[in-house]
Parts: sequence; structure tokens; C-alpha cells
Amino acid sequence: GDSVTQMEGPVTLSEEAFLTINCTYTATGYPSLFWYVQYPGEGLQLLLKATKADDKGSNKGFEATYRKETTSFHLEKGSVQVSDSAVYFCALSRSSYKLIFGSGTRLLVRP
Amino acid sequence: DTGVSQDPRHKITKRGQNVTFRCDPISEHNRLYWYRQTLGQGPEFLTYFQNEAQLEKSRLLSDRFSAERPKGSFSTLEIQRTEQGDSAMYLCASSPGGLLARSYNEQFFGPGTRLTVL
Repeated sequence: GDSVTQMEGPVTLSEEAFLTINCTYTATGYPSLFWYVQYPGEGLQLLLKATKADDKGSNKGFEATYRKETTSFHLEKGSVQVSDSAVYFCALSRSSYKLIFGSGTRLLVRP
Repeated sequence: DTGVSQDPRHKITKRGQNVTFRCDPISEHNRLYWYRQTLGQGPEFLTYFQNEAQLEKSRLLSDRFSAERPKGSFSTLEIQRTEQGDSAMYLCASSPGGLLARSYNEQFFGPGTRLTVL
């Protein structure tokens, strides 16, 4: 069945460091891919998405490119801030309603 | 727009008791979803409503679980005869989109209800 694999955390970085969180997926066809973020005490929020191969999703300085050949959707940010500390979830959808999530990666950014 | 709300935020119960959770979606959102998230894992899909119709149920949703969405507004998720394995965060989400919508509609998540079964 469909699945998403994320790198395990926690990922600890200093402020202004470069961030990469790896995400790979297994699915038939051409799923849509997403990154969700969960800040402490808050609900999941959509961070960015890509709906077809080679699309790049971007938001708040974060980027991820849909790579069909490597079945990947790695999340990157050039310079992280303390306020980026959160749990990040990679997800896919092959339908208009069901999301399949990875296990999440906790990011801790130190001043 | 006050977002998706869930009640209660925390629930502690003893094994064998019944519990009910409520979700109020964003007004005018046609679709409503329930997910379950256990510690250290991502959310897992449980069920989905299009207005008042429950269109899909995951095999994770055993016979002890029942969800309703009367009148296509708020939804309730009931767990009967709770077990320790039911301890988890129960997430509700809603999105716009009619029955024939084929493209993904962003799902807006509530803060969740954390259930602890002793």
C-alpha cells in the first residue's frame, strides 16, 4: 500500500543554519505531496504542496520539489529561525480526501 | 472563521467506559475527516464525511467506533468499551469541496482530543 518515510528526528540546528528533512514515498500513479507543520500546542497546518512531478512547493522560505524519479519530496530552508521549531510531517494523497502521513520529524532550532 | 474546534481537548477514562468527542468544522465546509495519531507517529485516516454522508471508513475503525455528522454540520466520534490501545490523539479536519470535486482541497485541522485510557 501507499506509504511515506521520513528521516527520524529530532533534528537540532543553530539559528540561520540550512535545513533538509528527507521524505520518500511509495505509491502507484501520481500522488499529490504535502508538508504539514505542527507547532507546539497547535493543530496541523499545511506548509506547502506539489501536485505533479517537478513541481516545487514553497511557503515561508521552505521549499520542496516533487521528484518522481527518486520518489522524494525533501523539505529545505536556507536559514532556519527559532520560530521554525515544530514537528514536520510529509504526506501524500491519491484521492481528493485521504491523506497518508509519515511519522513526523521534530525540528529544534537553538538561538 | 474561527477554525476547526474540538471538544474536549483532553479526556481520561477507565477501560471499558464509553467516550464521545465532538468536532465543529469551519462553517460551510462540506467535508469532514477524522484521524488518529499515536505518540511518535503521523496521523492515520479513520473516516470521512461528505456533508452528512459517511463515505469511507478505515479498517482501523473497529465496531466499537462510530462516527456521525447529523445535518452535515458538527460531527461526533464515539468509542464504546474503551481499551488501553485506544489511547491516542484524535484529530478532526474539514475542507471545502463538493461531491464531484477531484482535486485536493486543503484540510484544516483542529487541535485534537487527547484520550488516555487507564
